Amino acid sequence: GNSVTQMEGPVTLSEEAFLTINCTYTATGYPSLFWYVQYPGEGLQLLLKATKADDKGSNKGFEATYRKETTSFHLEKGSVQVSDSAVYFCALSDRNSGSRLTFGEGTQLTVNP
Amino acid sequence: DAGVIQSPRHEVTEMGQEVTLRCKPISGHDYLFWYRQTMMRGLELLIYFNNNVPIDDSGMPEDRFSAKMPNASFSTLKIQPSEPRDSAVYFCASSLGIGAGELFFGEGSRLTVL
Repeated sequence: GNSVTQMEGPVTLSEEAFLTINCTYTATGYPSLFWYVQYPGEGLQLLLKATKADDKGSNKGFEATYRKETTSFHLEKGSVQVSDSAVYFCALSDRNSGSRLTFGEGTQLTVNP
Repeated sequence: DAGVIQSPRHEVTEMGQEVTLRCKPISGHDYLFWYRQTMMRGLELLIYFNNNVPIDDSGMPEDRFSAKMPNASFSTLKIQPSEPRDSAVYFCASSLGIGAGELFFGEGSRLTVL
């Protein structure tokens, strides 16, 4: 079956630090990959996505590259801000499994001024 | 444009009581999902609908849980009777199509069962 594994949190950084949140996946087919973000007290919202190998998704300074050879989709940002404090979820969608989203467990990020 | 609207935002009830959570998806979206989020289990898919028809309810924890979608603009998730272990944040989400499309989440309903 499909699964998504994220690096354990919580992650605490100082403002302007470099961020990496690791995500690896297992899928039976050729999935699309996503990062969702959940700000405090809100629902999840799509941050970025990539639909095929070597694609790079980017949004709001965040980037992630679909690496088929390492089955990874790590989230990166060069300089985090306090407003980036949130929970980040890696997810995949695979047509062989009805195309539903499979979410990772989420990684809590706190950015201190 | 209005997003996915859920009500109530917060509910506190006593064990054994019936709980009904409501969701209005984004107009035109043909898929609706109910998720549950807890610290222990993370984000779990409970059930999803396509064009108002339940497609997969394998995530519904037990018979105490039921969900309906009587029309394209309304869905309910009911728990009867409620138990303390049902305490969680319940999210409704909708999408246009399934797969590489985007899920739009509501703000959630935080349920506390005493």
